[in-house]
Amino acid sequence: DVKVTQSSRYLVKRTGEKVFLECVQDMDHENMFWYRQDPGLGLRLIYFSYDVKMKEKGDIPEGYSVSREKKERFSLILESASTNQTSMYLCASSSPVASGNTIYFGEGSWLTVV
Amino acid sequence: AQSVTQLDSQVPVFEEAPVELRCNYSSSVSVYLFWYVQYPNQGLQLLLKYLSGSTLVKGINGFEAEFNKSQTSFHLRKPSVHISDTAEYFCAVSGPGTYKYIFGTGTRLKVLA
Repeated sequence: DVKVTQSSRYLVKRTGEKVFLECVQDMDHENMFWYRQDPGLGLRLIYFSYDVKMKEKGDIPEGYSVSREKKERFSLILESASTNQTSMYLCASSSPVASGNTIYFGEGSWLTVV
Repeated sequence: AQSVTQLDSQVPVFEEAPVELRCNYSSSVSVYLFWYVQYPNQGLQLLLKYLSGSTLVKGINGFEAEFNKSQTSFHLRKPSVHISDTAEYFCAVSGPGTYKYIFGTGTRLKVLA
């Protein structure tokens, strides 16, 4: 079974703090994604990566950055957390070959910024 | 550009009744279509997917969906729901040659005893 592991399930951070959300997948997938989920808005893509050190902006990249130094790991960084970044963050991975284009999700990270 | 519309934000249904959750998409190219389920405080799990071939797709937990190209729809159905089907359901579209997946805003299915 594909496993996408998000390191923190629940975090509480202060406004202005730098926040790291870590994600690891164990299926050698080329593509990795960070989504943000808010009630009534569904899932919105923040960033995705199709290879090591490669990244592309999604629909809502402002206030976020990402890092992919190894194929299995994709990190989301909030340089200076703000209260409007309080949300559920979902990491995902996929591969056209290995996963038949299916995107697999982690359990999610609930971030509260106070 | 691709987009997905889930018209119903909430669907209440009695246990053992049939249910249909609606999904419409727009795309100018070939599509891959997906339905995911999300239980409270969890990530999304794949229910079923359409990549090509038969337009009727069967998934886990007794769900099925039908790809209708002329109506650009991919509605999810189950003939008899259980309390345990209470969850949020997301439709998504992707396609060959793209890395991106576009998700609908979700439909909350509430199964009533």
